[in-house]
This record gives sequence, structure tokens and C-alpha cells, in this order.
Amino acid sequence: SSELTQDPAVSVALGQTVRITCQGDSLRSYYASWYQQKPGQAPVFVISAKNNRPSGIPDRFSGSSSGNTASLTITGAQAEDEADYYCNSRDSSGIGVFGAGTKVTVL
Amino acid sequence: QVQLVQSGAEVRKPGASVKVSCKASGYTFTGYYIHWVRQAPGQGLEWMGWINPNNGDSNSAQKFQGRVTMTRDTSISTAYMELSRLRSDDTAVYYCARDPPGGSGSYEFDYWGQGTLVTVSS
Repeated sequence: SSELTQDPAVSVALGQTVRITCQGDSLRSYYASWYQQKPGQAPVFVISAKNNRPSGIPDRFSGSSSGNTASLTITGAQAEDEADYYCNSRDSSGIGVFGAGTKVTVL
Repeated sequence: QVQLVQSGAEVRKPGASVKVSCKASGYTFTGYYIHWVRQAPGQGLEWMGWINPNNGDSNSAQKFQGRVTMTRDTSISTAYMELSRLRSDDTAVYYCARDPPGGSGSYEFDYWGQGTLVTVSS
């Protein structure tokens, strides 16, 4: 089965930039999508499989990918961006997988 | 507007089954796959499987195969996920999520249900 690896936690100063990465062999064939989750809430879709931002997501969120790594960048982090972030992809059999999540703390 | 509304919280004993519903509105139900994702207390998201509401095809993670059944009723735009032989470690919030069709073949979940807490306890 495919796996996606994320750093458990990162911190960023208010207004600065943070990059969250997601690594996995499946990312060489399939795009990753990204989700933000705050405590007690359902996940929110923040970056699409082709690194586009869904409607309503601030433009400080961006996505990129290269080889087996996908990245989510928050440029000018705000206090409300403090959350858990998960990447998701799939394998050739259609089996989906989430990364373990990255907890972002805004200092 | 697109909405996925799930059924309410459930409590089951070990060995029992639970069936969670996900009612879709605001879009053509048969045009989008529905995925099921769960989250145990304090843990991350875990992908369980998907169903194609158009024809009923489904696929699930190996760890759930034989225990999970995903179905749909197109007449009421509702998807269902039934998990059998429940264990205490199945205690989790279960989410349904919509996956729009796209040429890349990758998954993306643009709308989510509110979640259904399933508690398994003797």
C-alpha cells in the first residue's frame, strides 16, 4: 500500500511563510490534494489535485509538486491558519491514502 | 448550495454493525463519487473507500475489506456506509466527502459532511 509522509509539526511567525511537505511514491503518478482541519470541525479543501485554490480559499495558500513530493505553502501566515493540514493521494488500484498530518502553529 | 448531511451519532456494542447515511443536495448526485473517511479520537484522517453513485461500484482500503459495505439510493440522493463486526478501535468520527470528476484521476474532496460519531463500547 502507498504511504504519504508529512512532518508532524511546524511553527511559523505571524506574517511569515511556511511550507508543508508530503512525500510518497504515489505522487510520481497522481497529484496530492490538501485539507485544513481545525479542532472539532470537518476538514476543509484548500488545494486541489492540480495545485489550484478552491473558491473562497485565500490566495496566501498555494500548492506545488515535484517528483515524489507535494508542498503546501502559506505565504503571510495568519493566526486563523493554525490548524492540522493533511495531504491525500491515491495509488494505481484506486486506494486512497492520507498523510499523518502536520500541525501548524502560528507564533 | 452543495450539502452533505450525515446521520446522527451512534453507540454500538462490539461485534455489532453500524450504518451511516450521507444525504446529498445541491448537485447531481450521480455525477460525483462519494468517499468515506474516518478519524479516531486524537488521530489523523483515514481513507476508507469510495462509491460511484452512478453505477454502485465501490472500492475500499484493504483493512476494511470484508467488513465495510458502501451502497447508495439514487432516488433520495443518499450514500451509505455500513461497517460490521465493530471493535473498540472503530470508535471514530466518520465523514463522507464528494469527489468531483477530473481528468487527472487524482482524488480531491471538495465538500464534506459534518461527521458522524460512532462509539463502540460494551
